[in-house]
Amino acid sequence: GAVVSQHPSWVICKSGTSVKIECRSLDFQATTMFWYRQFPKQSLMLMATSNEGSKATYEQGVEKDKFLINHASLTLSTLTVTSAHPEDSSFYICSASPYRRAWVNTEAFFGQGTRLTVV
Amino acid sequence: AQKITQTQPGMFVQEKEAVTLDCTYDTSDPSYGLFWYKQPSSGEMIFLIYQGSYDQQNATEGRYSLNFQKARKSANLVISASQLGDSAMYFCATSEGGSEKLVFGKGTKLTVNP
Repeated sequence: GAVVSQHPSWVICKSGTSVKIECRSLDFQATTMFWYRQFPKQSLMLMATSNEGSKATYEQGVEKDKFLINHASLTLSTLTVTSAHPEDSSFYICSASPYRRAWVNTEAFFGQGTRLTVV
Repeated sequence: AQKITQTQPGMFVQEKEAVTLDCTYDTSDPSYGLFWYKQPSSGEMIFLIYQGSYDQQNATEGRYSLNFQKARKSANLVISASQLGDSAMYFCATSEGGSEKLVFGKGTKLTVNP
């Protein structure tokens, strides 16, 4: 399958600092990438849709000023958690789809995820 | 809005036996996709199998098969000949036609016993 690489795999930061997470599609171009958040023992919740060359689309309840998304190229999207606080500690994971049928998505490949701990 | 329900928080199976993980969905769009992912303790999401709403046959990928019952809005995952390495969280997800967004169920933790 297609490869999506996410970096870093884990990060510990101090409260009040910002953290940048990268998501790269290694062997395909992705005009759209997705950022999910997963709390321990819970499901993945979509945070935002990252659109190449335009503003990200955020899901209801997600603070766009706190979770900055930049999709500057067809293979890279970044999520920056600004002024991080302990409640932002979570598992963040991105996904992208390399191809689709005429009317419906067929596969979405995920990065390895980033475990963020804010102390 | 789409909704995915996984009613089994945890399942146990003996090695080499088959196991079925339940998933029901609710969507108003006639075009949709159904996905199953495996998430081991390391956290990565591993794509297992996909079923399109217009697909006539049940999807199969190696030891994985999807029991698609459209009228019941059911998309159960069947794992045959379970292996110890199959122990993980399993998530069912759906996307509606034209969208690449996925909506996930709460997951089922599968434990394979030797």
